[in-house]
Amino acid sequence: DIQMTQSPSSLSASVGDRVTITCRASQSISSYLNWYQQKPGKAPKVLIYAGSSFHSGVPSRFSGSGSGTDFTLTISSLQPEDFATYYCLQSYSVPHTFGQGTKLEIK
Amino acid sequence: EVQLLESGGGLVKPGGSLRLSCAASGFTFSSYDINWVRQAPGKGLEWVSSITGNGIRTYYADSVKGRFSISRDNSVNTVSLQMNSLRAEDTAVYYCAVYCSTTRCYPNFDYWGQGTLVTVSS
Repeated sequence: DIQMTQSPSSLSASVGDRVTITCRASQSISSYLNWYQQKPGKAPKVLIYAGSSFHSGVPSRFSGSGSGTDFTLTISSLQPEDFATYYCLQSYSVPHTFGQGTKLEIK
Repeated sequence: EVQLLESGGGLVKPGGSLRLSCAASGFTFSSYDINWVRQAPGKGLEWVSSITGNGIRTYYADSVKGRFSISRDNSVNTVSLQMNSLRAEDTAVYYCAVYCSTTRCYPNFDYWGQGTLVTVSS
């Protein structure tokens, strides 16, 4: 099974900050890596799919990069609505696996 | 408009059974793998099971293998998850979802239902 290691597990930041979240796969997953944002009581919402492809309607301050084993989600300038939990998902092979999540909190 | 709507959650005793359904609309259902993902209270997301568009191949997480069974009926655009021998650790919100994977990856095609809560408790 492919293990996904996501870091950090929590992050305290201010509005306007640039933040980076990383996911490392235990083996190559090509570009089959999606990034999700989840708010309490809501279903996950995709931000980036296939490693670096923007999902329609997602603000341009969100970007993704990487391929193979190392991936990054960057938020260029944090907005109040961005405080949430973020997950990566590898969909390269079953069992699909999620990262442990990153809780982004207001400093 | 693409929609996924889960139903069938509820309270069940340990060892009991429950059948979840995911009703889909707004897309060519038979062309897409469907996934079940769950989230225990206060915990992260866990992939549970997948079924290919034609229903021929099914996949399960080790934690549910032998107890859960996924199926689909493409004539009524529905996927089901039969859950048997339920345990307290199966308590979670269960989501059905379709997303980019090696089987199919269409631009901007990533949809999740609102989730249905399964509580396993005596």
